[in-house]
Amino acid sequence: AQKITQTQPGMFVQEKEAVTLDCTYDTSDQSYGLFWYKQPSSGEMIFLIYQGSYDEQNATEGRYSLNFQKARKSANLVISASQLGDSAMYFCAMREGRREKLTFGTGTRLTIIP
Amino acid sequence: NAGVTQTPKFQVLKTGQSMTLQCAQDMNHEYMSWYRQDPGMGLRLIHYSVGAGITDQGEVPNGYNVSRSTTEDFPLRLLSAAPSQTSVYFCASSFGGAFSPLHFGNGTRLTVT
Repeated sequence: AQKITQTQPGMFVQEKEAVTLDCTYDTSDQSYGLFWYKQPSSGEMIFLIYQGSYDEQNATEGRYSLNFQKARKSANLVISASQLGDSAMYFCAMREGRREKLTFGTGTRLTIIP
Repeated sequence: NAGVTQTPKFQVLKTGQSMTLQCAQDMNHEYMSWYRQDPGMGLRLIHYSVGAGITDQGEVPNGYNVSRSTTEDFPLRLLSAAPSQTSVYFCASSFGGAFSPLHFGNGTRLTVT
């Protein structure tokens, strides 16, 4: 079974609009971390935001926020006021406490339209 | 402030050749790992290590070897390159546990002809 599911292979969003990238996960661990990474066309992996399984508040980092719904096992990334530089691949990932391995989804390609 | 350093950036191999991808980190991270990235498949874990002298297999370990003789270094060896190993390879490191993000190197683009 897929541990991380990203159902949107590609998205097109108008500049300055907010965008939500979906991510659902599957684990039986109580301790886990959820991460979002950005991969621009230059290829590097950039860490954006993190949410721990015990965190009660949604994580925020500047224009990025993580909409964490534990009962639904979802960890959606919200980008407010999108910019052209946000065009990139976005990967959701999970790290389970028992295994330490980081498992990735297949990614969403976000394109911001001017 | 080097972080995770991977070399080389690009490599072309012929089928059957061997090579080593180098990875070094200067953040005193216990955990290090290698991923390969192929179109439409996200990043898949090849091998990982939770400390010097300890390594384990990930999802796609066949055709690759690793060792971890120091905390800083985690080289990936391709024993006999095959066209199916054409990919982009990333090394990543972190502190241990579920709550630490991985820090990635800039990647190695490998082509096997």
